[in-house]
Amino acid sequence: TQLLEQSPQFLSIQEGENLTVYCNSSSVFSSLQWYRQEPGEGPVLLVTVVTGGEVKKLKRLTFQFGDARKDSSLHITAAQPGDTGLYLCAGAPGNYGQNFVFGPGTRLSVLP
Amino acid sequence: NAGVTQTPKFQVLKTGQSMTLQCAQDMNHEYMSWYRQDPGMGLRLIHYSVGAGITDQGEVPNGYNVSRSTTEDFPLRLLSAAPSQTSVYFCASRRTGALGEKLFFGSGTQLSVL
Repeated sequence: TQLLEQSPQFLSIQEGENLTVYCNSSSVFSSLQWYRQEPGEGPVLLVTVVTGGEVKKLKRLTFQFGDARKDSSLHITAAQPGDTGLYLCAGAPGNYGQNFVFGPGTRLSVLP
Repeated sequence: NAGVTQTPKFQVLKTGQSMTLQCAQDMNHEYMSWYRQDPGMGLRLIHYSVGAGITDQGEVPNGYNVSRSTTEDFPLRLLSAAPSQTSVYFCASRRTGALGEKLFFGSGTQLSVL
């Protein structure tokens, strides 16, 4: 049973377009993280959102944490081919004894 | 800055063979973990360790063994490989504390069991 769902599963867009991907759960998380994974590599942390309603920006990427801390979104403005990759959201544990829970990911392809 | 180092990068096994996936980190993190990644399934936790001498099972532990004799190393053993274990395996260490929780991943091992 997936505790975290991500949509869409696949997304192919042209360079310069905007896009939003979503991460949803029925569970409340103390924080949510977004990772990007490139082919042949491990995931790399992009951002952590902690407070309900929080918005964080990382250059052209905007991350939002839902008010109820059950969902998050990632918006990319003017996508570039370098944004191509697998975007994973992860529910972070509330304490040291708990483990991260990962969603299945959104595979993004940005065509030049 | 080596971070998390995994070996080998690729491996092909026959059903029933055994092997060990190596993982080492140089960040002095107490917590280390192994994940497998399958299409559409995300990363699923196999085993984890909160420090030397301490290991515990994750979501999908069957068919895998681990040990943690040092802070740096956390090998994953397949005692009798099965085709269902064909996957990409990632080792990760975890930073905790004032800088916030963060997982650092190795570059993965692509394993095929025939």
